[in-house]
Amino acid sequence: AQKITQTQPGMFVQEKEAVTLDCTYDTSDPSYGLFWYKQPSSGEMIFLIYQGSYDQQNATEGRYSLNFQKARKSANLVISASQLGDSAMYFCAMRPPAGYALNFGKGTSLLVTP
Amino acid sequence: NAGVTQTPKFRILKIGQSMTLQCAQDMNHNYMYWYRQDPGMGLKLIYYSVGAGITDKGEVPNGYNVSRSTTEDFPLRLELAAPSQTSVYFCASSYGFEAYEQYFGPGTRLTVT
Repeated sequence: AQKITQTQPGMFVQEKEAVTLDCTYDTSDPSYGLFWYKQPSSGEMIFLIYQGSYDQQNATEGRYSLNFQKARKSANLVISASQLGDSAMYFCAMRPPAGYALNFGKGTSLLVTP
Repeated sequence: NAGVTQTPKFRILKIGQSMTLQCAQDMNHNYMYWYRQDPGMGLKLIYYSVGAGITDKGEVPNGYNVSRSTTEDFPLRLELAAPSQTSVYFCASSYGFEAYEQYFGPGTRLTVT
């Protein structure tokens, strides 16, 4: 079974600074997808970024980038120029090969301070 | 587009009662999912569907049932509610399953007492 590990229960960052949220995964399958979702205090799940296991380039979406290190089985989320509105829970998730649903990590709580 | 909608937003059930959580999407997505999120945890898959008439169990299906008679709707049925089913329930849908993101509904907060 695939496992997602997020080792940072909580993180603080000052506004306008960059922050890296860690995610490691465990799978023996060569084909999989990695996702990051944001969950603000209002509770909804917001898709941020996707990385396929065969993608050559690290994914980027605006201020979000995914630092994908396949050999280390890590898929860290980098948020540049943090904003107060980035304060939320962040979940890393993996879709296994031939699988439909996502396996989620326990999440990291990010607090952006002025 | 309303996206993925869920009703109700909140519900309190007594032990042994039953209820149906409604989920609908207007994006013509074939794939739909039900997850639950316990406090301080990530989401766990309850059931999923790859199209009308086709459903399958996820990681934590016990105590739940689903049906998918149309592409749009994917209700989740709780039979004989138990305190362990106190959770936030999310419905999601996706166009495909590989590189496609899942779109989530706003969630239903259920308390069983």
